[in-house]
Amino acid sequence: KNEVEQSPQNLTAQEGEFITINCSYSVGISALHWLQQHPGGGIVSLFMLSSGKKKHGRLIATINIQEKHSSLHITASHPRDSAVYICAVRNTGNQFYFGTGTSLTVIP
Amino acid sequence: DAGVTQSPTHLIKTRGQHVTLRCSPISGHKSVSWYQQVLGQGPQFIFQYYEKEERGRGNFPDRFSARQFPNYSSELNVNALLLGDSALYLCASSLVSLETQYFGPGTRLLVL
Repeated sequence: KNEVEQSPQNLTAQEGEFITINCSYSVGISALHWLQQHPGGGIVSLFMLSSGKKKHGRLIATINIQEKHSSLHITASHPRDSAVYICAVRNTGNQFYFGTGTSLTVIP
Repeated sequence: DAGVTQSPTHLIKTRGQHVTLRCSPISGHKSVSWYQQVLGQGPQFIFQYYEKEERGRGNFPDRFSARQFPNYSSELNVNALLLGDSALYLCASSLVSLETQYFGPGTRLLVL
């Protein structure tokens, strides 16, 4: 079993839809990261969370430490949001574990 | 200011050879981490260095080693290459050890 599980694995949405990507983890963490990876490999760090909620533009990330769960929300989705979204956690031993990613396609 | 840079961008090696990948962090960043991403999978953590010391290590064999230099740049070395080492190798830097990471474009390694 992976330390980090993401769902769904693939997601197709119409432009404008509200999108939620979920991440569950099984290890004690010091931080959780949401990353965006575009075709070709480039990775952008979207959020780093250790508690609560963060918002950046149309992106919102939440984390529930007790339930070991995080969600990434995208409001008013746009085709340029199409990418793979990866959840990663840093455990208390300073190791990183990554989910396998959620491939999002937003259709105009 | 330049972001994280990695070299080379692409590399082809044969089984048994050795490879050195290089990473230059964002200016002022003291932490560098290395990741391996096999096609179709999420990244796997290899190493983290902070202030030239190893601060974290993933589940990789001893064929993988790394170091960080006084200017905070880093090298990842892989000995006795296997076909399964073919992957995108990503480097990320952060200001300090537990801050947001900024990723480089990666080095694509193909082992034949």
